[in-house]
Amino acid sequence: AQSVTQPDIHITVSEGASLELRCNYSYGATPYLFWYVQSPGQGLQLLLKYFSGDTLVQGIKGFEAEFKRSQSSFNLRKPSVHWSDAAEYFCAVGDNNNDMRFGAGTRLTVKP
Amino acid sequence: EAQVTQNPRYLITVTGKKLTVTCSQNMNHEYMSWYRQDPGLGLRQIYYSMNVEVTDKGDVPEGYKVSRKEKRNFPLILESPSPNQTSLYFCASSPLRLAGEDEQFFGPGTRLTVL
Repeated sequence: AQSVTQPDIHITVSEGASLELRCNYSYGATPYLFWYVQSPGQGLQLLLKYFSGDTLVQGIKGFEAEFKRSQSSFNLRKPSVHWSDAAEYFCAVGDNNNDMRFGAGTRLTVKP
Repeated sequence: EAQVTQNPRYLITVTGKKLTVTCSQNMNHEYMSWYRQDPGLGLRQIYYSMNVEVTDKGDVPEGYKVSRKEKRNFPLILESPSPNQTSLYFCASSPLRLAGEDEQFFGPGTRLTVL
């Protein structure tokens, strides 16, 4: 079965600074990759997903992620963080056997 | 509005007292699932359903039951809750039968405390 690792439990960045959240996965074939965001007290919302094709995918709220097969990574990036981006971010990997695994999450704090 | 709803949102109960958390979606989705979220562990799947009357265990099914009698509803049942089931629970649905291939839509969560 696949697995997902988010190495950073908590990240703090200043407003306006760039952001990169790391995600590494373990899976034998090309996975389906997702990033979700969870704002305080809310459910999860999809930011972006990768199934195939262009390895750089654009999502909502100005986020993007790049699939790097050689590194088994799918890192999430944003060039300039806003205070409203403070949330918890989850990377997830799925396959066509109906298996979906989530990482443990990375909590983002934004300093004014 | 397309959405997944859960009730109740908050619940405090005592060990052994049966409870049901309801989940309903209005998007005609095939797939529905229950997750629990615990600090440091992310989301772990409890049960899922690919269609009416079709359910299967996820990673942490012990102590839980589900049913899927109608396409829109997928209740989670705790027959005899224990303190280790204190957690934040999410219901989710997806348009495809194989949820690994597509986005899931999540409910707002149910925070359960078992004393």
